[in-house]
Amino acid sequence: DTAVSQTPKYLVTQMGNDKSIKCEQNLGHDTMYWYKQDSKKFLKIMFSYNNKELIINETVPNRFSPKSPDKAHLNLHINSLELGDSAVYFCASSQAFSSGDGETQYFGPGTRLLVL
Amino acid sequence: QKEVEQDPGPLSVPEGAIVSLNCTYSNSAFQYFMWYRQYSRKGPELLMYTYSSGNKEDGRFTAQVDKSSKYISLFIRDSQPSDSATYLCAILTGKLIFGQGTTLQVKP
Repeated sequence: DTAVSQTPKYLVTQMGNDKSIKCEQNLGHDTMYWYKQDSKKFLKIMFSYNNKELIINETVPNRFSPKSPDKAHLNLHINSLELGDSAVYFCASSQAFSSGDGETQYFGPGTRLLVL
Repeated sequence: QKEVEQDPGPLSVPEGAIVSLNCTYSNSAFQYFMWYRQYSRKGPELLMYTYSSGNKEDGRFTAQVDKSSKYISLFIRDSQPSDSATYLCAILTGKLIFGQGTTLQVKP
């Protein structure tokens, strides 16, 4: 069974469109994350939710809005897509919020977004 | 200055070589240091992590932290073609802060 899954795997869309990416984890974890990996493979955190509560919100445009309907799901909605949003988006989860106690984060396979 | 710096490579070595991957970091308060491995078109997976200074060994892999110089290293002994991947160092401090990743190719 896949621990952290994302849909869709690939997303090609036009500039200005609105799209959503879904993430689900079946590990029973309390905390979920969204990361963005650019074309140079630099991976940077965007958001983190712990028990459905937003706890990390990095400097991300307001066009990006995460939503956690329950502990097992964290979705990412992107409004008015721009060329610069093209990247690979990874969802991850951990048992608890990684406050520095060595919590391992498990990553999904990624969603490759291409904005034309 | 970036919080974590890593040479992106690429690094190409023959099979059986010893590989050394390195990162530097800026904040001496960091305590948890991690290495993730990412195969092409896959998500990163945790390879090893160390707390504070010292070495940690797991099979052919050794992670080393030198807090005095703010330097973290990953050594791979007897490298195999299956080790070909991107290796990302990361600091855990309420969130994961990643280096840019080093792409490694091990040639048969």
